[in-house]
Amino acid sequence: NAGVTQTPKFRVLKTGQSMTLLCAQDMNHEYMYWYRQDPGMGLRLIHYSVGEGTTAKGEVPDGYNVSRLKKQNFLLGLESAAPSQTSVYFCASSYQGAWQETQYFGPGTRLLVL
Amino acid sequence: GENVEQHPSTLSVQEGDSAVIKCTYSDSASNYFPWYKQELGKGPQLIIDIRSNVGEKKDQRIAVTLNKTAKHFSLHITETQPEDSAVYFCAALYSSASKIIFGSGTRLSIRP
Repeated sequence: NAGVTQTPKFRVLKTGQSMTLLCAQDMNHEYMYWYRQDPGMGLRLIHYSVGEGTTAKGEVPDGYNVSRLKKQNFLLGLESAAPSQTSVYFCASSYQGAWQETQYFGPGTRLLVL
Repeated sequence: GENVEQHPSTLSVQEGDSAVIKCTYSDSASNYFPWYKQELGKGPQLIIDIRSNVGEKKDQRIAVTLNKTAKHFSLHITETQPEDSAVYFCAALYSSASKIIFGSGTRLSIRP
């Protein structure tokens, strides 16, 4: 099993450009999450999904959109990138529909917005 | 509000000594407290968790203690080794909001 994979690993964007980050998991997990990690601020939840076709907002959803068209994939979109979105983005997944479950994280995507 | 405070932000210990990282949380209804380890260039990985019906849990050199009255929990690593060098995150489940809040992380360095 590959676990949780993320593409791309690194990306540089100019302000105003758009992009999509892809997360894929092969563990048949129901829940998937997108976090951003900034220095001194830990991990903050952007959006999450409790199942195929469903999404919900986390702590810091503004400027991002998500889609979960297939159970194994969770996409994070930036429609108009801003320098404040420079961060490391982590995707995670967990097995069942309960928050008291181990979250399995991907290796991260480092995004730089100029 | 929903908050998890983690201390210290950096910690350096001699190899073989113990390391302790402390976290406090604000929601008295929280009942699940995981700890994650993040190695350089990788995503966080769960190393141990504790639920509110127990006060302590051990797994080899790692232990976590929970004090629900004081609303704090701690990670203890004994006989530290070079491979323990990493960033450690505590977290707490806020049931009312159905989400996990992470602490800001502790960078642990093990001196040879």
